[in-house]
Amino acid sequence: EAGVVQSPRYKIIEKKQPVAFWCNPISGHNTLYWYLQNLGQGPELLIRYENEEAVDDSQLPKDRFSAERLKGVDSTLKIQPAELGDSAVYLCASSLNLGAGTGELFFGEGSRLTVL
Amino acid sequence: GNSVTQMEGPVTLSEEAFLTINCTYTATGYPSLFWYVQYPGEGLQLLLKATKADDKGSNKGFEATYRKETTSFHLEKGSVQVSDSAVYFCALSGGYNKLIFGAGTRLAVHP
Repeated sequence: EAGVVQSPRYKIIEKKQPVAFWCNPISGHNTLYWYLQNLGQGPELLIRYENEEAVDDSQLPKDRFSAERLKGVDSTLKIQPAELGDSAVYLCASSLNLGAGTGELFFGEGSRLTVL
Repeated sequence: GNSVTQMEGPVTLSEEAFLTINCTYTATGYPSLFWYVQYPGEGLQLLLKATKADDKGSNKGFEATYRKETTSFHLEKGSVQVSDSAVYFCALSGGYNKLIFGAGTRLAVHP
């Protein structure tokens, strides 16, 4: 069974340019997460989807970040315009929705962004 | 708010040495606790978990016990291998699979 697939794995852009990351979760997982991981830090939640609905986007910087999961399957995270401080790894994860949850999230390999 | 603090790395050990990575947490209510591991070039994966006080999670020779009285969830392994070299993250869940991670501890095991 395929795991969580993310692309691109690496992206280098100049500041003020736009960038988009794509994630395809594990088949049947209705909950999808985008996490931000800065160097030397643990992942921090940006947004969580239940199917196509964003149920927790309180940590998403909405002035420059946007996300969508139109059909409740794959998802795109966009940054426009990118800033130097956005250099980080963007992680996508998925899970089954089990109410209070088991905590078992399945992570992709991440998309490493470098902003010059 | 909820938070997780884990020991800074890197931790460098020789093969077959005993491993402890400390993790303490601050939380309201009764969170579930987790250890995730990230091997080089791979995504994070769940290593073990405990959902209530005094539970012991275990997997691949690793163990951690949920200690409510000391708000701790230390990771231990009796004899590490080179293949255990990775970054280990302690995390807690306050519900709805919303995980809060520690900063991670890098483990390097040498032959």
